[in-house]
Amino acid sequence: GAVVSQHPSRVICKSGTSVKIECRSLDFQATTMFWYRQFPKQSLMLMATSNEGSKATYEQGVEKDKFLINHASLTLSTLTVTSAHPEDSSFYICSARDAVSYNEQFFGPGTRLTVL
Amino acid sequence: AQSVTQLGSHVSVSEGALVLLRCNYSSSVPPYLFWYVQYPNQGLQLLLKYTSAATLVKGINGFEAEFKKSETSFHLTKPSAHMSDAAEYFCAVRFSGGGADGLTFGKGTHLIIQP
Repeated sequence: GAVVSQHPSRVICKSGTSVKIECRSLDFQATTMFWYRQFPKQSLMLMATSNEGSKATYEQGVEKDKFLINHASLTLSTLTVTSAHPEDSSFYICSARDAVSYNEQFFGPGTRLTVL
Repeated sequence: AQSVTQLGSHVSVSEGALVLLRCNYSSSVPPYLFWYVQYPNQGLQLLLKYTSAATLVKGINGFEAEFKKSETSFHLTKPSAHMSDAAEYFCAVRFSGGGADGLTFGKGTHLIIQP
């Protein structure tokens, strides 16, 4: 089946630093990748959609300068949280979709970000 | 506005009992519907999906869901609960036509299994 990995699984950083999270599709080409954010005991909220080779589309209320998304290849998307603050602490989950299973997204295991 | 509603943030059933988790959506056009399960500190695992084929969808681990257009519902059921079913369950929708291409999730239902 389609497998999506994320790295790192957990990261702790100091306030003001930047953190990069990688999302990889291991056995398929991801034409579209999505980034979600999940606060403790809450649902997932879509942050942005990225298509390979083009700029990401951000959801309303998501700061594009703070959450930099790069989808440079068909198997890799990165989310960089710039100048992280404690309120950015959350569980970040990516998903990927290929051109065949257009209506299904395959989710990564998530990255727990803690900003001190 | 298009939305997804899961009734009941917590559902508790006895082991061996019927599991029923409710999901309703608001949309004039039938969307694509999904149920996911999430165990603590893990990502999402797809249980089943409806993509305009059969209205009764069978998924993994004995779960199934029925799409009812007239009720705009996609409730998840399992005839006999197992202790390993204890987890967070999310109903998700991909709305057709325009708007966001990602999934809209319900708030989730925490399933508790009583021994």
